Amino acid sequence: DAKTTQPTSMDCAEGRAANLPCNHSTISGNEYVYWYRQIHSQGPQYIIHGLKNNETNEMASLIITEDRKSSTLILPHATLRDTAVYYCIVTRGAQKLVFGQGTRLTINP
Amino acid sequence: DTEVTQTPKHLVMGMTNKKSLKCEQHMGHRAMYWYKQKAKKPPELMFVYSYEKLSINESVPSRFSPECPNSSLLNLHLHALQPEDSALYLCASSPYGQGADEQYFGPGTRLTVT
Repeated sequence: DAKTTQPTSMDCAEGRAANLPCNHSTISGNEYVYWYRQIHSQGPQYIIHGLKNNETNEMASLIITEDRKSSTLILPHATLRDTAVYYCIVTRGAQKLVFGQGTRLTINP
Repeated sequence: DTEVTQTPKHLVMGMTNKKSLKCEQHMGHRAMYWYKQKAKKPPELMFVYSYEKLSINESVPSRFSPECPNSSLLNLHLHALQPEDSALYLCASSPYGQGADEQYFGPGTRLTVT
């Protein structure tokens, strides 16, 4: 599975959009981009996934570049409860999730 | 019911003890997973069961023994653990275990080996 690169940490003001980048330059055609997050002392939580097209659900939007070498997770109106570690995972098979170090997102009041 | 439950929440065991962790889901999911997470590290996959059969074992030491008695239940039997096995053990389930599947995680069991 392709390796991903994410910033170690990010800050965002409450109420603003949080944009979390992920680079996956070695992604292959049949690999999906998944995003999970882990709030302190809880299990990871699925957010969204995509293959080629941009995706949106009630939690977030996923923007994948045309060459698929990078993506951005957008939390449109961040709240304090969105403070968490966000993991970008690229995988061919949804069974084998390989978590990297992720981005620690802090939402500030 | 849209959650994965894990018991116990906390467990302290000695190196000679035998204990079991339990995971349950009633979402009709056909794949279940065990992960291990050390402090300040990301989760690491240990085992995957798909349709009640072990499909992935990530070279986990034999002192960890998984069991899937039915499609809703997943156990992790522990025997002769070492202090370095202290970690948060996470269970997850997913609808199909293949393709573009989403994993739902439980809250974890925090294990301390003394």
